[in-house]
Amino acid sequence: EPEVTQTPSHQVTQMGQEVILRCVPISNHLYFYWYRQILGQKVEFLVSFYNNEISEKSEIFDDQFSVERPDGSNFTLKIRSTKLEDSAMYFCASSVQQGGYGYTFGSGTRLTVV
Amino acid sequence: AQKVTQAQTEISVVEKEDVTLDCVYETRDTTYYLFWYKQPPSGELVFLIRRNSFDEQNEISGRYSWNFQKSTSSFNFTITASQVVDSAVYFCALSDNTDKLIFGTGTRLQVFP
Repeated sequence: EPEVTQTPSHQVTQMGQEVILRCVPISNHLYFYWYRQILGQKVEFLVSFYNNEISEKSEIFDDQFSVERPDGSNFTLKIRSTKLEDSAMYFCASSVQQGGYGYTFGSGTRLTVV
Repeated sequence: AQKVTQAQTEISVVEKEDVTLDCVYETRDTTYYLFWYKQPPSGELVFLIRRNSFDEQNEISGRYSWNFQKSTSSFNFTITASQVVDSAVYFCALSDNTDKLIFGTGTRLQVFP
């Protein structure tokens, strides 16, 4: 069964450092997303991406965050200068069409900022 | 604004008991989609079901069943004859025409042997 692949599974970074989280969505999917889950809390939407541009972003997704699809397969989330409060599980997701059809999450990257 | 409420923070049952997880949603859209995800201790989000707003038929999949009632804006999830492996956090989520998922706060289910 097709999967959304996220790397690394766990990343530890020092406060103030830049970090890039990587995702390989399912190959025929057209819509891409990042979500965040702070430990013990609910999953929160960060950003959606379609046709090489951001479709929607939440208020969490400030200037410290950026997304990119640098080639035909990867989808990345960059946090420019990490803060302690950025520590969370970050989930990538993709879907084949609007309406949540085939909405598939990756297994997540646990980011720890120290 | 869209909202999903899972009022049950934590539920504990003994194996073989039936358990129902409640989900109440709010949206002004007439077209929307509802989801349930399971998050086991390993942390990944496991898709369980997607239902669109025009399909109010209840669904059964093995020991799992879902009851969708538009009149009460609820999409409840029942596990029949629960097992220890069902222990996880369960999230209900709503997607409107913007395609992002709005998650509830989750219900932690503990099934004891």
